[in-house]
Formats: sequence, structure tokens, C-alpha cells
Amino acid sequence: DAGVTQSPTHLIKTRGQQVTLRCSPKSGHDTVSWYQQALGQGPQFIFQYYEEEERQRGNFPDRFSGHQFPNYSSELNVNALLLGDSALYLCASSAQLAGVADTQYFGPGTRLTVL
Amino acid sequence: LAKTTQPISMDSYEGQEVNITCSHNNIATNDYITWYQQFPSQGPRFIIQGYKTKVTNEVASLFIPADRKSSTLSLPRVSLSDTAVYYCLVGDEGRGSTLGRLYFGRGTQLTVWP
Repeated sequence: DAGVTQSPTHLIKTRGQQVTLRCSPKSGHDTVSWYQQALGQGPQFIFQYYEEEERQRGNFPDRFSGHQFPNYSSELNVNALLLGDSALYLCASSAQLAGVADTQYFGPGTRLTVL
Repeated sequence: LAKTTQPISMDSYEGQEVNITCSHNNIATNDYITWYQQFPSQGPRFIIQGYKTKVTNEVASLFIPADRKSSTLSLPRVSLSDTAVYYCLVGDEGRGSTLGRLYFGRGTQLTVWP
């Protein structure tokens, strides 16, 4: 049973560029959430996708956008990269059980460095 | 939203039992208590989740008193590989929540010494 997978593992970009990160959820999961983790901090919620729609969003600017595909995989897009966007980006998947979110399981993350 | 308070750091030696206590005075009736473990540059790993009393799995035990205003993660006979950051989360998180968003604090850095 495959767990949550993310690609790429590492990425280096320059300021102003755009980046796309990818996530495949754990088998049987239909909900994907994205988190940003700066060095020395806990993960911060970016947004969550369910049924191909953004269900809720954390305190992140519109430069951060996402998408969920019919197979439940998801992408995180960040435009106009800033130095402060350098972080570990985490994807977590979960299942909706009778309308209630179940335990979230995390992928290994993508380390984004903005120069 | 329930806030959690846990120690910033803890030290232990191999073979000892480690107990990390988390305070969550404003926990709501429907909230579950969830603990994650995170190694550097890796995603958080789910350890254990509970609602009340005691939960045990192959990795840890979770003790929750009747008032549910705190919880204690117990790691039996730790090893060097248990050195990690441990996060306690309650409210709007995972099971028991219709929102399913996780709020992480800074966690507890556990260091196990030989």
C-alpha cells in the first residue's frame, strides 16, 4: 500500500519564477492538504482540496494556488517566488468519513529553495 | 480553536521511558488529541490519536485524564532513533472535525542520548 508521495524532492528557483509541486495521496484517500514549513517552525496550513475543489484556505496570498485531479492527486503552484517562500512543502492526505475528516498522513515533502 | 502548550525541549537517555505532556485547556467536546513525530527534512509521521482515557499502539501510549485538559504521550524505552520533534494537536484536526485542517505549534524537541 503506497503512502503519500511528493515530487520533486528538492527544487531550486530564483526570485520571480513560478513553481509546481505534485502530490499523490495514500490509496483510498480523497482529500489533500498542503502545508508550508519554514526552518525551525511547525507546518502551516495552506489549503485543502476535496472533490477537485478548494474547501478551505489558510493565511496565504493568492500567489499560492492549487488543483486536484479526478484521481485525487494534487498540485501546488506558487507564482512570483519570493526569498521567503523557501521552505519544506508538505502534502497530507486523508479520507472523508461520513463528512468528517479522518487522520491526515503526510508525504516526505519537497524542499524549495529560492535564490 | 483549542491551543496547545508543550515543552520546547526534553532530554532522555536510551532505554528510559519518556513522557511528554501537552496542555489544551480549551479543548472542545468533539476534539480528538493527535500526536505526530517529525524528523529533520521529513514529513510529520502520525503516532497516536485518542479521545479519552488511554490509547496504546505498538509505538506509544496516550493518557488523557477525565477533564481532557491535558494529555501525555508516553514513549517506552526510547532509542537514539526517537530523537525528533513531537507535535500535539487538538481541535479542527483530523478525526472529529469537519474542517480537517491541522494547526501545528513548534512542538517538543526530544533528544535521546546514549
